[in-house]
Amino acid sequence: AQSVAQPEDQVNVAEGNPLTVKCTYSVSGNPYLFWYVQYPNRGLQFLLKYITGDNLVKGSYGFEAEFNKSQTSFHLKKPSALVSDSALYFCAVRDGDAGNNRKLIWGLGTSLAVNP
Amino acid sequence: EPEVTQTPSHQVTQMGQEVILRCVPISNHLYFYWYRQILGQKVEFLVSFYNNEISEKSEIFDDQFSVERPDGSNFTLKIRSTKLEDSAMYFCASSEAKGTHGDQPQHFGDGTRLSIL
Repeated sequence: AQSVAQPEDQVNVAEGNPLTVKCTYSVSGNPYLFWYVQYPNRGLQFLLKYITGDNLVKGSYGFEAEFNKSQTSFHLKKPSALVSDSALYFCAVRDGDAGNNRKLIWGLGTSLAVNP
Repeated sequence: EPEVTQTPSHQVTQMGQEVILRCVPISNHLYFYWYRQILGQKVEFLVSFYNNEISEKSEIFDDQFSVERPDGSNFTLKIRSTKLEDSAMYFCASSEAKGTHGDQPQHFGDGTRLSIL
């Protein structure tokens, strides 16, 4: 069965410090991995994806994520956090071998608080 | 930047009543989706729609649920006889058809908060 785990409900970091939001996944086929961010009263906004190729992918707002196949992880990172990065972050996976079945399986989300 | 729009933002309905949630996907997108998020729980996939038919649905998407693309722009989710446990945030999403096997990201609307009384 496919699943996503985000082991931390909340991450606190000081502005200017690096941040990491963790994600591990389980999928039977090739993992297609995504990070989304949700601001209060808003929808899920796409940040970045890993489909194939370079394990380090760069996305919006200076975020990046590293795909690690052996650890089945896809942690979200940013070298220098901003207060405006404070939001809810969701990791999602789909089975890349599932053809046109494109449903995303989601983690529970991690609340990121960046303190000034 | 084009957006997925959803209406209404909040819907309050009596248990047993029918409700229709509306979505306008991004205009050149061909795949459409509905997800829901019960408060404090995971985002859950409900259904995907392509080429005027359902391409996949979850076990949540039972006979009470239906989707429709009534014209060239709208994509609707209907719940026939609502139950208390249908209370959730419902998200519509769309994605482009290009690329292989769904590597295009899904773009989400701001959601409709459905409250069943």
